[in-house]
Amino acid sequence: GNSVTQMEGPVTLSEEAFLTINCTYTATGYPSLFWYVQYPGEGLQLLLKATKADDKGSNKGFEATYRKETTSFHLEKGSVQVSDSAVYFCALSEEVGDMRFGAGTRLTVKP
Amino acid sequence: KAGVTQTPRYLIKTRGQQVTLSCSPISGHRSVSWYQQTPGQGLQFLFEYFSETQRNKGNFPGRFSGRQFSNSRSEMNVSTLELGDSALYLCASSSHIAGSTDTQYFGPGTRLTVL
Repeated sequence: GNSVTQMEGPVTLSEEAFLTINCTYTATGYPSLFWYVQYPGEGLQLLLKATKADDKGSNKGFEATYRKETTSFHLEKGSVQVSDSAVYFCALSEEVGDMRFGAGTRLTVKP
Repeated sequence: KAGVTQTPRYLIKTRGQQVTLSCSPISGHRSVSWYQQTPGQGLQFLFEYFSETQRNKGNFPGRFSGRQFSNSRSEMNVSTLELGDSALYLCASSSHIAGSTDTQYFGPGTRLTVL
C-alpha cells in the first residue's frame, strides 16, 4: 500500500542554517504530496503541496520538488529561524480523504 | 473564512466509557476526515465522510464510528474506551470531489485521555 518514509529526528540547527528534511514515498499511482507543520498544542497546518511530477511547492521560504524518478519530496529552506521550530510531516494522498503521513521530524532552531 | 473547529479540546474519560467528538468543517467543504495521532503510531487515518456517507475507512476496530450531518458537521464516537485510545484526534476538511485528491485542512484536535 501507499506509505511515506521521512528522515528521523530530532534535527537541531542554528539560526540561518540550511535545512533539508528527506521524504520518500511508495505509491501505486500518482499521488499528491504535501508537507504539513505542527506547532506545540496545535493541529496540522499545510505548508506546501505538489500535485504532479516535477511540480515545486513553496511557501514561507520552504520548498519541495515532486521527484517521480526518485519517489522523493524533500523539504528545504535556505535560512531557518527560531520560529520554524516545530514538527514537520510529509504526506501523500491518492485516495479520497485518505492521507498517509510520515512519522514526523522534530526541528529545533537555536538562536 | 473560519477554519476547522473541534470540540471539546480536551476530554478525560475512564476505561469502558464512550465518547463523542465533534468537528465543524470549513464553510463549503463537504468532506471530513478523522485521524488519530499517538506518539507510538503517529498519524493514522480513521475514516472519511462526504455528503453524509462514509467513503473510506482505515484499519480501526468497530468501536470507532462516525457520522456526518446534512450541514457537513461530523462526529466520531469511540465506545468501550481502552487505555490505548488516549490520543489526539484530528479532524480535517476539504472540498473533495470524488475521483480527485485535494488539500485537507486540519482542526486543532481533541486531546482524549483515558484513565
